[in-house]
Amino acid sequence: DGGITQSPKYLFRKEGQNVTLSCEQNLNHDAMYWYRQDPGQGLRLIYYSQIVNDFQKGDIAEGYSVSREKKESFPLTVTSAQKNPTAFYLCASSIRDREIEPQHFGDGTRLSIL
Amino acid sequence: GDSVTQMEGPVTLSEEAFLTINCTYTATGYPSLFWYVQYPGEGLQLLLKATKADDKGSNKGFEATYRKETTSFHLEKGSVQVSDSAVYFCALNGGGGNKLTFGTGTQLKVEL
Repeated sequence: DGGITQSPKYLFRKEGQNVTLSCEQNLNHDAMYWYRQDPGQGLRLIYYSQIVNDFQKGDIAEGYSVSREKKESFPLTVTSAQKNPTAFYLCASSIRDREIEPQHFGDGTRLSIL
Repeated sequence: GDSVTQMEGPVTLSEEAFLTINCTYTATGYPSLFWYVQYPGEGLQLLLKATKADDKGSNKGFEATYRKETTSFHLEKGSVQVSDSAVYFCALNGGGGNKLTFGTGTQLKVEL
């Protein structure tokens, strides 16, 4: 079955450490997205990519970085510059330039600070 | 810019009660509208969608109608079950890169 796989499910970060969250999809989608979810605040867009080797900042990109070297993969790095990284992170993908098509989501990674 | 406003939760209902979760939006043009559901500890799942005015999306007993005149997309279900307990998100896609704008979510609790 096609879908989006996020790993790990739980991740712990020490102060000053960078961590990378994995997102892989086998839906053959061109577009991929990273969201941050905090209680009571809905989802906020961190970065998105419409095509391999290209990505754009979303609403809250500071302290995060991404790469898009392969169509299937869109890893997110939470850097030490992100001072409040504790949150639930969701990856999504969609067909590009088709606003009637929904985004498909992974099951998320919960990041906590040690 | 685009925005989505949902009624605040939590909404607590008895099993078999009627459900309405209000959603209104602000957008230029003609956005596509979506309802997503999130069960505890999981990602979001698409519940239903509507892509033009007066369209009705439906799935698993849930319905929502795209009302352009009132810029609304309210979610309804005639008889909720305990298994419907989850957080429900209204979202729109106004074009320009497939980016979704989400509401803050409404938690639904259904009790026996």
